[in-house]
Amino acid sequence: AQRVTQPEKLLSVFKGAPVELKCNYSYSGSPELFWYVQYSRQRLQLLLRHISRESIKGFTADLNKGETSFHLKKPFAQEEDSAMYYCALGSSGTYKYIFGTGTRLKVLA
Amino acid sequence: NAGVTQTPKFQVLKTGQSMTLQCAQDMNHEYMSWYRQDPGMGLRLIHYSVGAGITDQGEVPNGYNVSRSTTEDFPLRLLSAAPSQTSVYFCASSLAGVTDTQYFGPGTRLTVL
Repeated sequence: AQRVTQPEKLLSVFKGAPVELKCNYSYSGSPELFWYVQYSRQRLQLLLRHISRESIKGFTADLNKGETSFHLKKPFAQEEDSAMYYCALGSSGTYKYIFGTGTRLKVLA
Repeated sequence: NAGVTQTPKFQVLKTGQSMTLQCAQDMNHEYMSWYRQDPGMGLRLIHYSVGAGITDQGEVPNGYNVSRSTTEDFPLRLLSAAPSQTSVYFCASSLAGVTDTQYFGPGTRLTVL
């Protein structure tokens, strides 16, 4: 069965510090992986997807099939990065889109 | 282009009442889905649709019904509301299904007393 695990419910870092939000997945096929972000009082929006391999707002994520991970990283956190982050997996075999439980990132001044 | 819209924004129900949460999109997306968001549990898939006339169950479908008579609309019906259905509900759509970006509505905050 497909599963997405985000082990940290809350991650607090100081401004300017590096950030890594962890995401591990379980899926027998070739996964489509995404990171979504939800800022306060806003709707969920796509941050990035593994297939595009681009950097958005300084964030990057690399798919590691050996470790079944898709961790989100940013070298220098900003206060405006404070938000809820969700890792998601799209399963073309089941037509289902599965989210992790989310990690709340707090960037402290 | 309004994207994905949801109504109402807030709703309070009594146990046993029924209601329909509305979702519409104007992007001609084939794939639409409903999620509930609960603290510590992330977003859980309730039902999804790959096109008009086709729906299927997600992870937590019990107590909910859906239909998809048009490409644009995907309403979620609560048949007999229970306190366990207190949650924030999000509708989403995408052009190319689960391998594509999901576009979310603003959410409906539902409280069942």
